[in-house]
Amino acid sequence: DQQVKQNSPSLSVQEGRISILNCDYTNSMFDYFLWYKKYPAEGPTFLISISSIKDKNEDGRFTVFLNKSAKHLSLHIVPSQPGDSAVYFCAAKGSGNTPLVFGKGTRLSVIA
Amino acid sequence: DAGVIQSPRHEVTEMGQEVTLRCKPISGHNSLFWYRQTMMRGLELLIYFNNNVPIDDSGMPEDRFSAKMPNASFSTLKIQPSEPRDSAVYFCASSLKTGKDTQYFGPGTRLTVL
Repeated sequence: DQQVKQNSPSLSVQEGRISILNCDYTNSMFDYFLWYKKYPAEGPTFLISISSIKDKNEDGRFTVFLNKSAKHLSLHIVPSQPGDSAVYFCAAKGSGNTPLVFGKGTRLSVIA
Repeated sequence: DAGVIQSPRHEVTEMGQEVTLRCKPISGHNSLFWYRQTMMRGLELLIYFNNNVPIDDSGMPEDRFSAKMPNASFSTLKIQPSEPRDSAVYFCASSLKTGKDTQYFGPGTRLTVL
């Protein structure tokens, strides 16, 4: 049973436009959420995170929104750049000494 | 810092052979994680260690898989005997602790079992 779901395997966006990647979770005990970015032949790298006490966290072109009632989070990239083309993984964890649970990833292609 | 180091980067082996994947975490990190990435299942946690002690190995698919962490700077993931369905990219990651600290991933080992 997947606790973290990324229902869109892929997304194509034109350069300069907004990219919106979505993630849903089922476990109400999750209280910390992260996005990782992965380029081919490399390991995932941390991008941005958000705690459940917030509903928005912004870092430059990247903003993560959290809707706890809907158990939904999204990553917005504005403006999108060709270098943003990668696989994006959503991850979540509960409190205490618990590991991350990852979604299957969404492949973003930013077209110049 | 060199980051998380994994070896080999690529491994091709025949069904039935033993495979050993290696990981050196970032110095000072207390938690180490082994993941497997496949198209079907995405990024799955296999096992993780805190202070060299295995905490949760419920993600290890079968008894053919085993992992060890003999000291703070080295871990191995062994598959014996290997099967074609084990073909995947295996990642090692480390963090200061298991909590909300960022996990840093190695470049992965691409395993192909023929």
